[in-house]
Amino acid sequence: DQQVKQNSPSLSVQEGRISILNCDYTNSMFDYFLWYKKYPAEGPTFLISISSIKDKNEDGRFTVFLNKSAKHLSLHIVPSQPGDSAVYFCAASALKSSNTGKLIFGQGTTLQVKP
Amino acid sequence: DVKVTQSSRYLVKRTGEKVFLECVQDMDHENMFWYRQDPGLGLRLIYFSYDVKMKEKGDIPEGYSVSREKKERFSLILESASTNQTSMYLCASSLAADTQYFGPGTRLTVL
Repeated sequence: DQQVKQNSPSLSVQEGRISILNCDYTNSMFDYFLWYKKYPAEGPTFLISISSIKDKNEDGRFTVFLNKSAKHLSLHIVPSQPGDSAVYFCAASALKSSNTGKLIFGQGTTLQVKP
Repeated sequence: DVKVTQSSRYLVKRTGEKVFLECVQDMDHENMFWYRQDPGLGLRLIYFSYDVKMKEKGDIPEGYSVSREKKERFSLILESASTNQTSMYLCASSLAADTQYFGPGTRLTVL
């Protein structure tokens, strides 16, 4: 039972355009969401997060949107750069019910930004 | 800066061998995690620990065990390695329920 789903295995965009990566979740207890970026042969690095009390969080070129009613979040990268080419993982946590920080990850989306 | 290190970047072992993967973090984090990453499956939690000598099973603990004797060190043990344990293994740590920080990963191949 996949509680966090990234239904697009891959995405290709042109440099300078917007990249939109999507993530759906099923567990209504999730109240904290994160995006991680992973280059080959490296560990994932934290990118941006959002609490369920917000519907948007922005950090430079990266913005995460949360739609709680649809149980959907998305990561927008504007403008996309070739260095953004990586695998992006969405993750969710139920902070109110657990203080261990256990995360549930999606399958990942491979983003390719073409020069 | 948080630093999470893993003992090996690449490891090749034979079926049936006992394998130890070591992870060390330098930020006094309470929580430590072991994941494996496989194509199309994302990161799956094997075990985690929220304190010294404490451990909890994750989603796929079968065939693995862990040890946390010191706060900074979390070891993953494959008692008898099998070919289906060939994977990328990632260690992470976090302060309470905060963001997890990952090590560089160990690419394990079991022949």
